[in-house]
Amino acid sequence: DGGITQSPKYLFRKEGQNVTLSCEQNLNHDAMYWYRQDPGQGLRLIYYSQIVNDFQKGDIAEGYSVSREKKESFPLTVTSAQKNPTAFYLCASSTPRGGVWSDTQYFGPGTRLTVL
Amino acid sequence: SQQGEEDPQALSIQEGENATMNCSYKTSINNLQWYRQNSGRGLVHLILIRSNEREKHSGRLRVTLDTSKKSSSLLITASRAADTASYFCATDLQGGSEKLVFGKGTKLTVNP
Repeated sequence: DGGITQSPKYLFRKEGQNVTLSCEQNLNHDAMYWYRQDPGQGLRLIYYSQIVNDFQKGDIAEGYSVSREKKESFPLTVTSAQKNPTAFYLCASSTPRGGVWSDTQYFGPGTRLTVL
Repeated sequence: SQQGEEDPQALSIQEGENATMNCSYKTSINNLQWYRQNSGRGLVHLILIRSNEREKHSGRLRVTLDTSKKSSSLLITASRAADTASYFCATDLQGGSEKLVFGKGTKLTVNP
């Protein structure tokens, strides 16, 4: 089965802790993305990567960090510097088509992070 | 910054009725996409319409794009209870942007 997976489904964090959310894809897609979704809101882009060992900040990168050591994997670390991390986090992947990067994105099932 | 804005924010209809959702955006685009999200789940891609297309169909879905008005509409015909979900439009920025910008979504409830 080809797809994109995220783990864990639910994550609880104490204040002051760093936590890492996993995202893996076997679609052979070049680009991967992390979004944050708050209740009743749309998606906001945290970080994205178009190629291994390279990534770019999105609109709300502060308090987050990422790595892209393998094409299949794009983990997101929520650091203690992120003051309001409770949210639903979604990972996505895509591949350019016809030279256009902004083609269909395939999403994982999401991780719900709660700060205790 | 917000690129796409869906309207209405919420829509409640009876099974069998048609549902229409609208999306407006601000800048020129390469393409516009519609996604669906069931509660607590990831997004699922529904349809992509390119800037040189005016209408596209997929099953019970019909999408239109009016680049002069910078707007798009998603029509779901003969709705079913299983269509209950939030629907988002996503746009890129013409010029080869690698990013999509999502609106806040329309929450559709289809009552049996």
